Amino acid sequence: QVHLQGSGPGLVKPSQTLSLTCTVSGDSINNGNYYWSWIRQPAGKGLEWIGRMHTSGTTDYNPSLKSRVAISVDTSRNQFSLKLRSVTAADTAVYYCARELVLLWFGESPSAVMDVWGQGNTVAVSS
Amino acid sequence: EIVLTQSPGTLSLSPGERAILSCRASQSVSSSYLAWYQQKPGQAPSLLVYGASRRATGIPDRFSGSGSGTDFTLTISRLEPEDFAVYYCQQSGSSFQAFGQGTTVEMK
Repeated sequence: QVHLQGSGPGLVKPSQTLSLTCTVSGDSINNGNYYWSWIRQPAGKGLEWIGRMHTSGTTDYNPSLKSRVAISVDTSRNQFSLKLRSVTAADTAVYYCARELVLLWFGESPSAVMDVWGQGNTVAVSS
Repeated sequence: EIVLTQSPGTLSLSPGERAILSCRASQSVSSSYLAWYQQKPGQAPSLLVYGASRRATGIPDRFSGSGSGTDFTLTISRLEPEDFAVYYCQQSGSSFQAFGQGTTVEMK
């Protein structure tokens, strides 16, 4: 059974960099059937997809965050990470790591759905 | 960029009743790319339906998805107490993943 465990500081100062890591157990992060993703959710609000990375090196980011985000994968540790630069109070949220399963469709481009989620890490941006 | 709009914002129903949740896309979406998630309070979301109508592993058959083009629906045929939650639709067919704003199904 695949398990994702996020970790990182719960408090980040404004203008600094938010850094989170997600450790994958029960499967290899090198499995080419998946992307490895981050999603966030401000308190009482909806889900916002931040971005994802495939071990082939492909990355996709939410255009609204692209200038500040970097997602990387460490295959030796079976982990992937999120860095969000120049944070403000608007970046305060629960941050989820997730596995995106690639779905193949006849005659169409592949899609991907988040089939396994981490427990979520609350990050507050405050001085 | 495709925008997903869910309605209603909140659905107040009793156990045993039918819930019908709507997800409308700002432009046509392949049904292959439409998914639904359930989120209970204090928990991470979980995948319910993908490909508009295919239930994820372990999802009971009281949950059904349908639709095409710009209009998609999640139906819960008979609400169980554990079904009261927030539901999100998601479009997953490009390099950008979009979520709807969510529909809360609350107990009347």
